[in-house]
Amino acid sequence: SQQGEEDPQALSIQEGENATMNCSYKTSINNLQWYRQNSGRGLVHLILIRSNEREKHSGRLRVTLDTSKKSSSLLITASRAADTASYFCATDGTSGSRLTFGEGTQLTVNP
Amino acid sequence: EAGVTQFPSHSVIEKGQTVTLRCDPISGHDNLYWYRRVMGKEIKFLLHFVKESKQDESGMPNNRFLAERTGGTYSTLKVQPAELEDSGVYFCASSRLGTRGKVTQYFGPGTRLTVL
Repeated sequence: SQQGEEDPQALSIQEGENATMNCSYKTSINNLQWYRQNSGRGLVHLILIRSNEREKHSGRLRVTLDTSKKSSSLLITASRAADTASYFCATDGTSGSRLTFGEGTQLTVNP
Repeated sequence: EAGVTQFPSHSVIEKGQTVTLRCDPISGHDNLYWYRRVMGKEIKFLLHFVKESKQDESGMPNNRFLAERTGGTYSTLKVQPAELEDSGVYFCASSRLGTRGKVTQYFGPGTRLTVL
């Protein structure tokens, strides 16, 4: 298995519904970050959670981190068609070091 | 503040040719990283510069790949000679030197490389 595995691999929901994506990792981390990639475009940073934090919010995003289970979840509330994208979690072992990505979750929000 | 920029956005070359990708980080960011996503698989780390020095190049797949960051500003990634399996999207990212353990990497739009 790869560090930073996301599930589900693909998720299709209706506009207005909530979307939850999960990420698991294997080694100790310093930070865990979530990124979004719209089709054919670059990675957009969404939110960073540190290893000593359990939950963070940013607008319609809520991220949780459970270091005992080595897992994180990203919740997008009241989804919009514009949220359609691939979502990746990425971890780093030390500050400023390389990021290890999962394979991503493809989210489709149907209008 | 301008974001990370990459050039070209797309490149199509023949197997055996040479291609050079360029990345301009956010001004003031000493950390510069290269990643790539091949065949829809996960995004994988290639290497990390701190200013002009290679901090970590453990992700470079082989000696056909050469990265430079002369002067500690922009960086180039040269693939010579290119092989079919090099096709993918090459991302560059930059960040400030660590501030109290919380460092966000900002990514460029990527260069889509197709080797025929």
